[in-house]
Amino acid sequence: DGGITQSPKYLFRKEGQNVTLSCEQNLNHDAMYWYRQDPGQGLRLIYYSQIVNDFQKGDIAEGYSVSREKKESFPLTVTSAQKNPTAFYLCASSPQGNTQYFGPGTRLTVL
Amino acid sequence: AQSVTQLDSHVSVSEGTPVLLRCNYSSSYSPSLFWYVQHPNKGLQLLLKYTSAATLVKGINGFEAEFKKSETSFHLTKPSAHMSDAAEYFCVVSDRGWSYKLIFGSGTRLLVRP
Repeated sequence: DGGITQSPKYLFRKEGQNVTLSCEQNLNHDAMYWYRQDPGQGLRLIYYSQIVNDFQKGDIAEGYSVSREKKESFPLTVTSAQKNPTAFYLCASSPQGNTQYFGPGTRLTVL
Repeated sequence: AQSVTQLDSHVSVSEGTPVLLRCNYSSSYSPSLFWYVQHPNKGLQLLLKYTSAATLVKGINGFEAEFKKSETSFHLTKPSAHMSDAAEYFCVVSDRGWSYKLIFGSGTRLLVRP
């Protein structure tokens, strides 16, 4: 069963903690992306990766970090430097070409 | 630079009546355009995409959109709304650069009344 999975579905973070959101795909897509969605707004790009071991900052990368050690995986770490991390986080992937397919999302809440 | 404007933040229709969600775009290139749908607390699902082939694009669940270059529009329509169509809809334009960056509109929430 092919697709994109994100875990956990819900995540709670205390002030000053780093947390890592998981994104895995078995679609054999080369590119992967992380987006942030705030209520009533469209999606904003955090980081993207075109190939393994390479990634670029998007529009709102401050306070976030990523790695791309495997083609299938693109984890996102929300660091304590991100001052307002409460949001819905969406991972996407795409083959060669520009159609992106999205995972189910992770909702992060700061306590 | 690319941009996209969704002209209505909320649209309300009765079940069985037509749906029209409006989108205007700005692009320096021949754009790729998409419509995605998002149900509450879910990821985005691709409804349809335009990539410079036919100007009338048919998508899933009875939706279609027409690319009008002269009007820089890419409106989404459906002849008859169903209760299950109630969701948030995003119009998206792609940057034709190597990064394939997507530019999202702010979304239109579709309400379907019984």
